[in-house]
Amino acid sequence: KQEVTQIPAALSVPEGENLVLNCSFTDSAIYNLQWFRQDPGKGLTSLLLIQSSQREQTSGRLNASLDKSSGRSTLYIAASQPGDSATYLCAALHSGGGADGLTFGKGTHLIIQP
Amino acid sequence: DAGITQSPRHKVTETGTPVTLRCHQTENHRYMYWYRQDPGHGLRLIHYSYGVKDTDKGEVSDGYSVSRSKTEDFLLTLESATSSQTSVYFCAISLGRSAETQYFGPGTRLLVL
Repeated sequence: KQEVTQIPAALSVPEGENLVLNCSFTDSAIYNLQWFRQDPGKGLTSLLLIQSSQREQTSGRLNASLDKSSGRSTLYIAASQPGDSATYLCAALHSGGGADGLTFGKGTHLIIQP
Repeated sequence: DAGITQSPRHKVTETGTPVTLRCHQTENHRYMYWYRQDPGHGLRLIHYSYGVKDTDKGEVSDGYSVSRSKTEDFLLTLESATSSQTSVYFCAISLGRSAETQYFGPGTRLLVL
């Protein structure tokens, strides 16, 4: 059974800092890995999707990397802003047998201090 | 934003009553999913659909059933609600299975008393 872990569970940094959020998964048989953002009381917003054949994806100040062999992904946020404060979730789509659907980590709660 | 709506957005019900949650999409996406989100557990897959009348179970399907009679609608039914089903329920859609982003609806907050 796929398990996804996110470290740290919470992070507070001053505005302007670059930061890295970590995600690890136990089963490397994945189609893709996705990063989402969730604001309090809201749904999930897709940030980046990395296919299993890719090493990284970039969107604006966000860069996500994937290392399937080690079961790790990172989300790099450059020049953080207070508006980046949210919970960040990573999720893996398993390519083996069994149910479809994403397996999620429990998230990293990020606070950017003005 | 993907055209996904969920109804109702909030519901309070009593133990033992049936409850149906609706997910409606305007994107004509093939795949639809129901997840629940609970503190300490994160999001977990309940059921999913890969086409009209084609559904399958996820990780936490006990006590839930689903139906999809039209491409745009995916219904989740709690046949006899229990307090353990108090949660936030999210619907998601995707164009395909393996290469496509999943887009999430705004969620339904359900409280079972």
